[in-house]
Amino acid sequence: DQQVKQNSPSLSVQEGRISILNCDYTNSMFDYFLWYKKYPAEGPTFLISISSIKDKNEDGRFTVFLNKSAKHLSLHIVPSQPGDSAVYFCAANRNQGGKLIFGQGTELSVKP
Amino acid sequence: EPEVTQTPSHQVTQMGQEVILRCVPISNHLYFYWYRQILGQKVEFLVSFYNNEISEKSEIFDDQFSVERPDGSNFTLKIRSTKLEDSAMYFCASRGGAAATNEKLFFGSGTQLSVL
Repeated sequence: DQQVKQNSPSLSVQEGRISILNCDYTNSMFDYFLWYKKYPAEGPTFLISISSIKDKNEDGRFTVFLNKSAKHLSLHIVPSQPGDSAVYFCAANRNQGGKLIFGQGTELSVKP
Repeated sequence: EPEVTQTPSHQVTQMGQEVILRCVPISNHLYFYWYRQILGQKVEFLVSFYNNEISEKSEIFDDQFSVERPDGSNFTLKIRSTKLEDSAMYFCASRGGAAATNEKLFFGSGTQLSVL
């Protein structure tokens, strides 16, 4: 049951450039989307979120874009820094307060 | 910043043994969750807990699993008879309330369970 999919298991980017991480979902009932960042041996840490009533949310170097018609969201990191190297999980839920459904994660590596 | 704490960080057990994973959610939070991540796979939902009862559980959360909030601070996951396939990182999470500003979950650092 892959309601949330991250099709790229890994991404490598040069420091200072843009990182774009993609996520697709199948359940049109999802109304809230989140990105989490995870370092090895640590729990996921919340990064940024977006409600389905918006198409963009920005927080510093991080911007999330939501395309509801395509059931697609993306996370942009500009400029990328070596400390951004981690696994990034896309997650979604519906009916405010429900469980989070996670994607498989994308491992981002930012090279100095 | 308040955080979710989990103990132990690592647990090694023999197949068939019972294990209890412990969590202390953020103190004013109302909703509690257990997730797990098998090595190399996605983070999977196990169970959610609110108002002293299970509000939702996944297919993974069978009769071998149980959760409890024995006092005002701890939230535990018990696996009665562990199987090899239970080996995973188990994450506890909590969130505040029903308002939209409380949607995000705060995760603990996890307990790595190894069943031998």
